[in-house]
Amino acid sequence: AQSVAQPEDQVNVAEGNPLTVKCTYSVSGNPYLFWYVQYPNRGLQFLLKYITGDNLVKGSYGFEAEFNKSQTSFHLKKPSALVSDSALYFCAVRDSAGYALNFGKGTSLLVTP
Amino acid sequence: GAVVSQHPSRVICKSGTSVKIECRSLDFQATTMFWYRQFPKQSLMLMATSNEGSKATYEQGVEKDKFLINHASLTLSTLTVTSAHPEDSSFYICSALPGTGDYEQYFGPGTRLTVT
Repeated sequence: AQSVAQPEDQVNVAEGNPLTVKCTYSVSGNPYLFWYVQYPNRGLQFLLKYITGDNLVKGSYGFEAEFNKSQTSFHLKKPSALVSDSALYFCAVRDSAGYALNFGKGTSLLVTP
Repeated sequence: GAVVSQHPSRVICKSGTSVKIECRSLDFQATTMFWYRQFPKQSLMLMATSNEGSKATYEQGVEKDKFLINHASLTLSTLTVTSAHPEDSSFYICSALPGTGDYEQYFGPGTRLTVT
């Protein structure tokens, strides 16, 4: 089964510093990978996706992710963190049986002023 | 961008009653909709896949008689929690997949169900 793992429960970073939220994947075939962000008591907002093409994917709100096939990783990055980036981040992979998504456990990002 | 709404956003019901949650795609047609459940500080767990005009496909361990899903049109799917119990209290999130070949799902804002 297609799966993703987010090894960090929480990431803390100071405002203005670069941030990285880690995700590794395990798939058979080509991976379709996604990042979503969730604010408290809200649904998920799409950030970016990797289907094919360039390994560096640019997304919403200044986020980007790098697809690394040799390391089976799809880490989310942002050059300069904002306090408003504090939220719960989910990495996801499309299930091989259909279009449903299999989510990682989530990583809580806290950006301090 | 594509918008998905859910109604209600929050509901409190008594144990033994049924609750219906609506999921609508507002500006696109969704051939497929998904229902997820999220426990506090946990990830989303897929409950079922709903295809317009056909029976929903439930994930293992999800009781189809308890969580009734209807996808009557290309813009509306409903989840009815029947004979709700306190353990059904959770955050329910739907998502919709446009029938355009796009792999991106659009998520609703979620419904907080509390069963007393």
